[in-house]
Amino acid sequence: DAKTTQPPSMDCAEGRAANLPCNHSTISGNEYVYWYRQIHSQGPQYIIHGLKNNETNEMASLIITEDRKSSTLILPHATLRDTAVYYCIVRVVTGYSTLTFGKGTMLLVSP
Amino acid sequence: ETGVTQSPTHLIKTRGQQVTLRCSSQSGHNTVSWYQQALGQGPQFIFQYYREEENGRGNFPPRFSGLQFPNYSSELNVNALELDDSALYLCASSLDRYSYEQYFGPGTRLTVT
Repeated sequence: DAKTTQPPSMDCAEGRAANLPCNHSTISGNEYVYWYRQIHSQGPQYIIHGLKNNETNEMASLIITEDRKSSTLILPHATLRDTAVYYCIVRVVTGYSTLTFGKGTMLLVSP
Repeated sequence: ETGVTQSPTHLIKTRGQQVTLRCSSQSGHNTVSWYQQALGQGPQFIFQYYREEENGRGNFPPRFSGLQFPNYSSELNVNALELDDSALYLCASSLDRYSYEQYFGPGTRLTVT
């Protein structure tokens, strides 16, 4: 599996867009990019995933560069409840679906 | 629709004892995965069960074992507890064994003294 690199922490003002970067320069053609987040004292929560194209859902948008070596998770209007650790995970679909979590990015949204 | 639930919420055990943690999967999900999360770290994959059989295993010793029942609820058993087993144990259910959209429970906080 491709290794991912994320900044350890980021700050964002409430109401502004939060842009969380992830580098995955060794990604291969059949590997997907997944984003999860973990709010304090809760289990991780699935946010979004993508292969090549940009994706959007009710929670966030995922922008993947054309060479697929990096991606950005965008929370368009961050709220205090978005304060969490955000994990970028790269995986190929195999016989079983294991999520390999790194240390992620701690996003702090402030008033 | 009921989400993933885990019991107990917290547990304190002594080194050398055995522990059983329980997980109830989300309705319609036939796959459950267990993870261990040490303080300040991301969750680490322990194993996955699909239709009552172990479908994959991470780098954990055999004293970590599991069961999945016909109703797709699940147990994680840990024998001969060690101090390093102190962690948050998370279970996650998914629609099938290939799905990376996993739905996590709140976890069980295990403390080994």
